[in-house]
Amino acid sequence: NAGVTQTPKFRVLKTGQSMTLLCAQDMNHEYMYWYRQDPGMGLRLIHYSVGEGTTAKGEVPDGYNVSRLKKQNFLLGLESAAPSQTSVYFCASSPTSLLNTGELFFGEGSRLTVL
Amino acid sequence: AQSVSQHNHHVILSEAASLELGCNYSYGGTVNLFWYVQYPGQHLQLLLKYFSGDPLVKGIKGFEAEFIKSKFSFNLRKPSVQWSDTAEYFCAVNTGTASKLTFGTGTRLQVTL
Repeated sequence: NAGVTQTPKFRVLKTGQSMTLLCAQDMNHEYMYWYRQDPGMGLRLIHYSVGEGTTAKGEVPDGYNVSRLKKQNFLLGLESAAPSQTSVYFCASSPTSLLNTGELFFGEGSRLTVL
Repeated sequence: AQSVSQHNHHVILSEAASLELGCNYSYGGTVNLFWYVQYPGQHLQLLLKYFSGDPLVKGIKGFEAEFIKSKFSFNLRKPSVQWSDTAEYFCAVNTGTASKLTFGTGTRLQVTL
């Protein structure tokens, strides 16, 4: 059982380049999330989705776009990368609302460096 | 907006020492509380959670946490740590929204032999 899989695991970009991070989950979860983790700042929610075809902004959405065309996939896009987007990105999923179980299932993270 | 504070950023303990990691949150309403752990090279995973009922909750690997509403705290404890407990620990709070956990900044625990 793969759980939550993120690709790529590592990426180096130049300022202004674009890229897409892919998150795939095989647990049939409704909710999916993208977080970024920065030293001294913990995890901050970028965008999330409560079901196929839906997306919503989190705490730090600027500079990112997302899409949830299929239930199992949640894509995070950077249209024009900036050094401030250097971070470790985590995808997570939950079967239903966090009010029910509260448990997030995380991927292993994607380390992005923007030069 | 709600926030979560973890005042211990880096803790170093010897094996068999007792552990207490602090977590305080700022929100006056009903909360659900969590501790997540990230072992080196692994993904974050749930350690324990509090929704309601007994304020002392037990999790995996001998960890426990106590919810003290009057102090807005949810400290993590373990009587005797092991080298394998070396990890980063994150406290998180849900304040009644369906889709948002607010995480603390994390505490890096290093257990020495």
